[in-house]
Amino acid sequence: EIVLTQSPGTLSLSPGERATLSCWASHTVSGNYLAWYQQKSGQAPRLLIYGASTRATGIPDRFTGSGSGTDFTLTISRLEPEDFAVYYCQQYGSPPCSFGQGTKLEIK
Amino acid sequence: QVQLQQSGPGLVKPSQTLSLTCVISGDSVSSNSAAWNWIRQSPSRGLEWLGRTHYKSKWYNDYAVSVKSRISINPDTSKNQFSLHLNSVTPDDTAVYYCARSPNPRIGEADEFDYWGQGTLVTVSS
Repeated sequence: EIVLTQSPGTLSLSPGERATLSCWASHTVSGNYLAWYQQKSGQAPRLLIYGASTRATGIPDRFTGSGSGTDFTLTISRLEPEDFAVYYCQQYGSPPCSFGQGTKLEIK
Repeated sequence: QVQLQQSGPGLVKPSQTLSLTCVISGDSVSSNSAAWNWIRQSPSRGLEWLGRTHYKSKWYNDYAVSVKSRISINPDTSKNQFSLHLNSVTPDDTAVYYCARSPNPRIGEADEFDYWGQGTLVTVSS
């Protein structure tokens, strides 16, 4: 099973700033099948990015996914108040799928 | 717009069976272009995929190795829903359980999840 490690564990930023979240895989993610999710307290995860860089339906263009192989990044260009949440990466290139432990994006 | 509505008990006794149902609207449980999954989340395990059912000329079921001996996921085409049954539960199975859809599933492969149910906190305790 591929292990995903997310960094940092917590990121403290202000609205309007740029956020860069990282996800490292223990083995190459086949087909760059890497997704990013946003989860707010008490809610289900919400799909943001799939295929490493394709935005899901209705996701604002301030969210950008990039990377390949074992190194992936989620960038939020200008933080809005509603962006403060926990973010998870998920690989689905090699079954079973696996999730990272999450990065908490908090207001500074 | 796809919506998934979960139901089921929030408290299960140890050694008993955890059963949850997910009603689908806006899609079909027997769609050839969707798979129907159960995922759970706990502080100790994080997000953990448990299994899925999907139809592509016939029904397929895939389960996580960690629960394979205890789990069953069953589609109900008459009610357009699917269910999770996890038997012989222990306190370690305490978690928030989610149902979720995978678009365009690949047979024998894993997928992303684009629609999720609201989540059900299931506590295993006597």
